[in-house]
This record gives sequence, structure tokens and C-alpha cells, in this order.
Amino acid sequence: NAGVTQTPKFQVLKTGQSMTLQCAQDMNHNSMYWYRQDPGMGLRLIYYSASEGTTDKGEVPNGYNVSRLNKREFSLRLESAAPSQTSVYFCASSEAHGGNEKLFFGSGTQLSVL
Amino acid sequence: AQSVTQLGSHVSVSEGALVLLRCNYSSSVPPYLFWYVQYPNQGLQLLLKYTTGATLVKGINGFEAEFKKSETSFHLTKPSAHMSDAAEYFCAVSHNNNDMRFGAGTRLTVKP
Repeated sequence: NAGVTQTPKFQVLKTGQSMTLQCAQDMNHNSMYWYRQDPGMGLRLIYYSASEGTTDKGEVPNGYNVSRLNKREFSLRLESAAPSQTSVYFCASSEAHGGNEKLFFGSGTQLSVL
Repeated sequence: AQSVTQLGSHVSVSEGALVLLRCNYSSSVPPYLFWYVQYPNQGLQLLLKYTTGATLVKGINGFEAEFKKSETSFHLTKPSAHMSDAAEYFCAVSHNNNDMRFGAGTRLTVKP
């Protein structure tokens, strides 16, 4: 009963390095999301994919890119990491893209950029 | 754009006491409202949600919340706290475009 799986769980980068966070869901959901969680700020939406083949910017997209590889997988890429991107990243999915949809979250990736 | 304010970043209660976590929202249109819970080193899980209809919403683990339009509030309550309720709680608001906005979170501590 995996749900939403994120890899890696922890990562340390140096400023300027790049990396890709992977996310996969096995619930046949249409919509997927990437959030970042910072102390005192709650969760903020980075990018989302309402359906396979589409992606859209969220509240804080700068410095990130995403790829909806197929219906199951949605990756987040940091091209040139900055200390401001130190955060906990969560992937989430929902059956459809609608305001009353329940989100299912992965367990998170803790990223430190030195 | 909608926004959420959670009053109190930390709340501490004794086991068996009432839990009250406060959430106020701002929205120009009728909102959808949610409470999520996050246990240590885990992702968020949905506790309950309000979409339409009855304003008192019951969720999992004995929690409930009441939508009060006149007060723009959606406070979360539980009559009797249990040690296992210790976690961080997030209020969230969205509309049909599903741009869900989360509050900053309230960390609940339960003392024995």
C-alpha cells in the first residue's frame, strides 16, 4: 500500500549543484503537486500537474523545473541549487484537479544546500 | 487570493483536556476548508474537510471543525486530548482552481 513515494529522503548539495527529486504514485491519480515546507510558513506550492501532459506554476516556482513523465511520476529539478532552497519538499497527488479534492502526501525529502 | 491564519504556532494541553486549534481565512468567494495533520517525519494526512452543506464537520480520530462564515473561521476541536494527538496541524483553504493555501501550522503538545 505505497501511496505516494518520494526519493531521496535526505540530500545535501553544494551551492550551484543540480539534482532531481523523484515522485511516484500508485493510486491512478490524475493530478500531482510539489510543495516546499519552511518553518513558520506552512506549505507553499511550487508546481503542479493537473493531468498527464500539463504542468503549471504555483506560488513559488522560481529556481525549479518539473516534468510529468507519465501518469504515475512527477519530478522536480533544481538546476543550480541555492541556500534559499534548503527546505523539506513534499510531493502530493489527488484524483482530479478541483478545489475540494483530498491531497495524498509523500513522506518528504529533506534538502540542505550549503 | 485566499489566505489562512492559524493563531498560535504552539499549543500545549494536558491529556484529557479540550483541544482547540484556531484557523481564520480570507476569501472573496465561498471556500473549501481543510485540516491536515503531520506526525513527525511523515507527510500530511487529511483530518477533515468542509465543502458544502453541514457546517459542523466530523473527521478522523475524534476531531471536528465548524465553518462559521460570519467569523471567517474554521476552528478544530477535540473534546479530550490523547498523547497520540501530538503533531503539527495545518489549516488550508482552496477554491475551484485548487490553488490550495496552507496556514503556517500549529504544533500541538499533549502533557501527561
